[in-house]
Amino acid sequence: EPEVTQTPSHQVTQMGQEVILRCVPISNHLYFYWYRQILGQKVEFLVSFYNNEISEKSEIFDDQFSVERPDGSNFTLKIRSTKLEDSAMYFCASSMFEQFFGPGTRLTVL
Amino acid sequence: AQKVTQAQTEISVVEKEDVTLDCVYETRDTTYYLFWYKQPPSGELVFLIRRNSFDEQNEISGRYSWNFQKSTSSFNFTITASQVVDSAVYFCALREPGANSKLTFGKGITLSVRP
Repeated sequence: EPEVTQTPSHQVTQMGQEVILRCVPISNHLYFYWYRQILGQKVEFLVSFYNNEISEKSEIFDDQFSVERPDGSNFTLKIRSTKLEDSAMYFCASSMFEQFFGPGTRLTVL
Repeated sequence: AQKVTQAQTEISVVEKEDVTLDCVYETRDTTYYLFWYKQPPSGELVFLIRRNSFDEQNEISGRYSWNFQKSTSSFNFTITASQVVDSAVYFCALREPGANSKLTFGKGITLSVRP
């Protein structure tokens, strides 16, 4: 069964460093998303992406964040200069209708 | 604005008990979609069900059943004869119309099923 994959599963970085989180969506899906979940809290929407551009972004998704689909298969989330409060689980999702989630990348900012 | 409220935060039951997880939502849209996701201790989000606002028929899938009531803006989830493997965090979510609209999640309910 097709699934969304994410790499790495866990990323540890120093505050101020750039990180890139990678996702491979389900191949025939058209819509892509990033969500994050701070430990013990609810899942929060960051950004949606369709047809090579951002469809919608939340107020969390500030200038430090960017997304791209560089090669038609990968879908990446970049955080330019990480802060302690960026520590969270980051989920990628893709959909034709139901959103299917990847296993998540746990980002730890020290 | 959309909002999902899961008033229960933690529920603990003994195996084989039935348990109902409550979800109340707010939206101004007349067409919308409701979802339940399960997050086991391993952390992934597992899709359980989608319900359209224009279809109030209740649904049963094995030990799982869902009760959608538009009049009370509720979409409750019942697990019959709970099992230890049901232990997880359960999220209710709401989506606006539009194929790539975002999901708005509730805060989740932590269900612990004791042997």
